[in-house]
Amino acid sequence: DAMVIQNPRYQVTQFGKPVTLSCSQTLNHNVMYWYQQKSSQAPKLLFHYYDKDFNNEADTPDNFQSRRPNTSFCFLDIRSPGLGDAAMYLCATSGTGTSGANVLTFGAGSRLTVL
Amino acid sequence: GQNIDQPTEMTATEGAIVQINCTYQTSGFNGLFWYQQHAGEAPTFLSYNVLDGLEEKGRFSSFLSRSKGYSYLLLKELQMKDSASYLCAVTDSNYQLIWGAGTKLIIKP
Repeated sequence: DAMVIQNPRYQVTQFGKPVTLSCSQTLNHNVMYWYQQKSSQAPKLLFHYYDKDFNNEADTPDNFQSRRPNTSFCFLDIRSPGLGDAAMYLCATSGTGTSGANVLTFGAGSRLTVL
Repeated sequence: GQNIDQPTEMTATEGAIVQINCTYQTSGFNGLFWYQQHAGEAPTFLSYNVLDGLEEKGRFSSFLSRSKGYSYLLLKELQMKDSASYLCAVTDSNYQLIWGAGTKLIIKP
């Protein structure tokens, strides 16, 4: 089945220790997104890629970086995690860019705990 | 600014009907989505409305009024597995997706 796979599902790190979360997709979608979601809050868009074009949200901290080496893979790097970065990180994909009907397909998420 | 409003939490009884409302103020409109999110899991797509009216899909229906900036999700014949958060999201004029914080639906036997 075509899908979006995130690894790891659960990540525990220490304050300031770098973390990398990965996302892979078999849908051949050209748009990939990284969202941060805290409990009972709306998902917050961190970045998105339209093919290789990287789009950073204005309020995404510099502590968060992303890479998309090819169509199928995308990575989220948190360079120095703080306690406030503990959250669920959601990867999503969608088809063609400028259409209001683009349905997002989400991975299962990576839950980050910062000690 | 852009804003999506939904009730924080609702409670309903198994077998009953529940309506979850969503109002929005956005810069333009290119469609409204409803997603379901079970606790600790990722959101999954439920419905999409871009024209006024009711879209029915099995036990779930979604309604849109663009002039009122209003939508609702109607769930019929509630089952325990419908206990989840329901997220309303709107695509604005720049095709950015604006999310609501979600409505946590609790189903009681």
